[in-house]
Amino acid sequence: KAGVTQTPRYLIKTRGQQVTLSCSPISGHRSVSWYQQTPGQGLQFLFEYFSETQRNKGNFPGRFSGRQFSNSRSEMNVSTLELGDSALYLCASSLTPGLAGATQGTQYFGPGTRLLVL
Amino acid sequence: QKEVEQNSGPLSVPEGAIASLNCTYSDRGSQSFFWYRQYSGKSPELIMFIYSNGDKEDGRFTAQLNKASQYVSLLIRDSQPSDSATYLCAVSNSSASKIIFGSGTRLSIRP
Repeated sequence: KAGVTQTPRYLIKTRGQQVTLSCSPISGHRSVSWYQQTPGQGLQFLFEYFSETQRNKGNFPGRFSGRQFSNSRSEMNVSTLELGDSALYLCASSLTPGLAGATQGTQYFGPGTRLLVL
Repeated sequence: QKEVEQNSGPLSVPEGAIASLNCTYSDRGSQSFFWYRQYSGKSPELIMFIYSNGDKEDGRFTAQLNKASQYVSLLIRDSQPSDSATYLCAVSNSSASKIIFGSGTRLSIRP
């Protein structure tokens, strides 16, 4: 069974640009959560999608948005990039929404997309 | 005060000893508690979760929860060099809508 895949793996952008990251969950998983990981702030929850609907959202500005398609693939978009958006962006897929995926042991992280904003 | 606090380490433990990792949280309404392991350059991996006071054991790992003290810990028995990693404590918010992570403790097992 293929794992969670994220594309691209590495990305360099300049301030003011926008970026779109993609996450393909494990086959059969319908929940995709996005996280930002930085040395200063650690791992922070961005948002979660289940069955094409955003279920939960973290404390990030509106520049961060996402969507999920009918095949459960998810995209995350960051507009008007800032230097502070440089980070590792991780997605995690699970069978069930919310915390149930983690408590049922079905939550798996992808390898991440490392974004550098210059 | 951070919502989830961990000692950043590094915590150095000799091979074969017990490694003890600690975490405190601020939201008394938190219901679920998780430990993730993250090797350098890799993604986090869920290794334990606990939601009731007391101990939960899984192989060499034991998670301990004390809701009155708002304290959760992870014990690793018979530590191996392969246990060297950063361990992230995570706590659900009171509405169980998201997980909040601590900054992680870097554990180093010395041969």
